[in-house]
Amino acid sequence: ELKVEQNPLFLSMQEGKNYTIYCNYSTTSDRLYWYRQDPGKSLESLFVLLSNGAVKQEGRLMASLDTKARLSTLHITAAVHDLSATYFCAVGNTDKLIFGTGTRLQVFP
Amino acid sequence: KAGVTQTPRYLIKTRGQQVTLSCSPISGHRSVSWYQQTPGQGLQFLFEYFSETQRNKGNFPGRFSGRQFSNSRSEMNVSTLELGDSALYLCASSLVYGSTGELFFGEGSRLTVL
Repeated sequence: ELKVEQNPLFLSMQEGKNYTIYCNYSTTSDRLYWYRQDPGKSLESLFVLLSNGAVKQEGRLMASLDTKARLSTLHITAAVHDLSATYFCAVGNTDKLIFGTGTRLQVFP
Repeated sequence: KAGVTQTPRYLIKTRGQQVTLSCSPISGHRSVSWYQQTPGQGLQFLFEYFSETQRNKGNFPGRFSGRQFSNSRSEMNVSTLELGDSALYLCASSLVYGSTGELFFGEGSRLTVL
């Protein structure tokens, strides 16, 4: 059974700092998604990673995928308050997506 | 282009009652998936419908059921509600079924069971 683990679960970081969220999964998959969820809101798609070595960037966020290590990272550069949210990775498992536990990010001045 | 629409957004029920939630996917999307989100269990897959057929089901009891109509709109039903069914129920639509397509989520229906 596919298991998806994220760490850290909680992340409090100062504005301007860099940090990385990790997403590990237990079985082979070539599809990984990152989502953002604001409190009380739905999930917003951030990145779709479809191949080994894929790297995508949008603003201060950059996501990468290493299918051999079964690892994806979401790197935050020079954090700003607007990035405060919960971030989920989701891994494709033949016919459904399995979501990670989520990383709650809080950016403070 | 309209997004995924879920109704109702909020509802309160008591134990033993039943509830029906509705989801209208993005126009042209034929796949609708349902997820339950709770603080303790996170996001858990309930089921997926594609072309009016249930294609996949998660590990939930038979009290949780769903259906999809010819216009791709979907409903999920929970019977004999329990306190533990309190959750945010999210619907997601996709062009294709399974995990190959990107999911677009609705705002969710927040169910509270008293």
